[in-house]
Amino acid sequence: TQTVSQSDAHVTVFEGDSVELRCNYSYGGSIYLSWYIQHHGRGLQFLLKYYSGNPVVQGVNGFEAEFSKSDSSFHLRKASVHWSDSAVYFCAVSPNTGYQNFYFGKGTSLTVIP
Amino acid sequence: EAAVTQSPRNKVAVTGGKVTLSCNQTNNHNNMYWYRQDTGHGLRLIHYSYGAGSTEKGDIPDGYKASRPSQENFSLILELATPSQTSVYFCASGDAGGFDYTFGSGTRLLVI
Repeated sequence: TQTVSQSDAHVTVFEGDSVELRCNYSYGGSIYLSWYIQHHGRGLQFLLKYYSGNPVVQGVNGFEAEFSKSDSSFHLRKASVHWSDSAVYFCAVSPNTGYQNFYFGKGTSLTVIP
Repeated sequence: EAAVTQSPRNKVAVTGGKVTLSCNQTNNHNNMYWYRQDTGHGLRLIHYSYGAGSTEKGDIPDGYKASRPSQENFSLILELATPSQTSVYFCASGDAGGFDYTFGSGTRLLVI
């Protein structure tokens, strides 16, 4: 059974600060990893993904994430947040079975204070 | 623009009634998914489909049925709605060759 853990339910930072949202997963095989963002009252929107190659991947709006096989992690980072980055962020894992079924973490709510 | 459209946006149903949530995608994706989102649980997979005519059980299928009559449409059916099914439901589509989903805007269901 694969699990996805987002250790921080809530993170609050000031505008211009850097932020790291943590994601750890438990799965023994080959996987795909993604991050999604959900603004209040909206659906989830794709941010970035990783499957192989460079462990640091770039996404939209200045977000990046780094894969670590040794730590079973895929943390999301942004160097300088904007108030509009306030949202809930979901980490997702998909076992490489060819069917692309994703398993989501419980989400981290990011609040950026202007 | 390719999209996933859910209807209705909001729904109030009575306990024991039948509810059908509809999803339409214009992405020409093979795969479609139904999730529910509840506080403290994140998103949980209810049913999914790999193409027209196919439906598969996800992690929490009990109390739900699904129907995929065409590539574009995927419905979630609650034959006998219960208050525990009050939730926000999201439909998503995905290409079998890729791994980024496109989500709909959600359907907020209240069962009273």
